[in-house]
Amino acid sequence: KQEVTQIPAALSVPEGENLVLNCSFTDSAIYNLQWFRQDPGKGLTSLLLIQSSQREQTSGRLNASLDKSSGRSTLYIAASQPGDSATYLCAVTAGTYKYIFGTGTRLKVLA
Amino acid sequence: EAGVAQSPRYKIIEKRQSVAFWCNPISGHATLYWYQQILGQGPKLLIQFQNNGVVDDSQLPKDRFSAERLKGVDSTLKIQPAKLEDSAVYLCASSLQQTGADYTFGSGTRLTVV
Repeated sequence: KQEVTQIPAALSVPEGENLVLNCSFTDSAIYNLQWFRQDPGKGLTSLLLIQSSQREQTSGRLNASLDKSSGRSTLYIAASQPGDSATYLCAVTAGTYKYIFGTGTRLKVLA
Repeated sequence: EAGVAQSPRYKIIEKRQSVAFWCNPISGHATLYWYQQILGQGPKLLIQFQNNGVVDDSQLPKDRFSAERLKGVDSTLKIQPAKLEDSAVYLCASSLQQTGADYTFGSGTRLTVV
């Protein structure tokens, strides 16, 4: 059974810091991995999608890497801003492309 | 492009009552998903539709939950009777393909069972 774990559960950093969020999964036979952002009371917004044949994806200040063999992914956020404060969720697809989510990392960027 | 629409935004009911949630996916998206997100946890898939057929409902508590997607467009999720542990946010998502490249979530319905 696939399990997804995210560390840390919560993180508070001063504005401008570079930070790394971690995601690990137990079954390396995934189709893809996706990072989402969730703001309070809102749905999920897709940030980056990494297909199983890829090793990383970049979008602006965000970079996500995938190491299937070790069952790990990292989300790197450069020069963090208060607007980055949200919960970040990692999810992997399996079988019918349903997503299995981690519990998320709650990020707070202090001005 | 309009997003995934869900209603209502909030619902408070007493245990043993019934409740229904509605989802209108992005136009043309063949795949529709219902997720349950309990506070402090990641979303958990309840049911996945491809057009109007069920692809996966392995985690749907079928004794109390039901879902349908008439004509392969809108979908409703029903709980009857509700339990306290059903308090959660119910998220609907849709995608054009099953590859996840265009996965779009709605804002969700927050259910409180008292």
